[in-house]
Amino acid sequence: GAVVSQHPSWVICKSGTSVKIECRSLDFQATTMFWYRQFPKQSLMLMATSNEGSKATYEQGVEKDKFLINHASLTLSTLTVTSAHPEDSSFYICSAPQLQGFNTEAFFGQGTRLTVV
Amino acid sequence: AQSVSQHNHHVILSEAASLELGCNYSYGGTVNLFWYVQYPGQHLQLLLKYFSGDPLVKGIKGFEAEFIKSKFSFNLRKPSVQWSDTAEYFCAVNARNQAGTALIFGKGTTLSVSS
Repeated sequence: GAVVSQHPSWVICKSGTSVKIECRSLDFQATTMFWYRQFPKQSLMLMATSNEGSKATYEQGVEKDKFLINHASLTLSTLTVTSAHPEDSSFYICSAPQLQGFNTEAFFGQGTRLTVV
Repeated sequence: AQSVSQHNHHVILSEAASLELGCNYSYGGTVNLFWYVQYPGQHLQLLLKYFSGDPLVKGIKGFEAEFIKSKFSFNLRKPSVQWSDTAEYFCAVNARNQAGTALIFGKGTTLSVSS
């Protein structure tokens, strides 16, 4: 299947700093990418839809000023957690869909574990 | 809005026991259905998917799932589990024929297999 690469795999940052996470589709173009958040032992919650060349669409309850998303090219989306706080510590996962006929299969990055201290 | 319900939060089995994990979805249109597995400390891996056709889908590692449209269900099965199947299992759905729609996940089921 298609490959989605996420970087970094883990990051520790100080409270109040910003962290950027990159998501790349390596062997296909993705006009849309998705960002999820997963708390320990919980499911993946969709945070936002990243759209190449336009503004991201955020799910209800997700602060767009805190979680900045940029989708500058067809293979790269970035999520920046601004002014991070300990409650932002979580596992962040990106996904890029690949259209297969009329159907879409999602390919996932390996995730980024963010720890804010 | 789409939603996915996984009824079993934590399942504990002995090796060689049979497994069935329930998944029901709610959506007004046609859907694609997926099961993902997440081993401890690892990322999501696709077990199997249903787009159309035969409602009985076979996936990797001996898993299969059956789509029952009338029940809005897509239950995961394995006839004989192994210790290495210990993991978190997620059912997911997205809208069919709509390019670029996000997957909506169930809350997940933790499977613990004892040797």
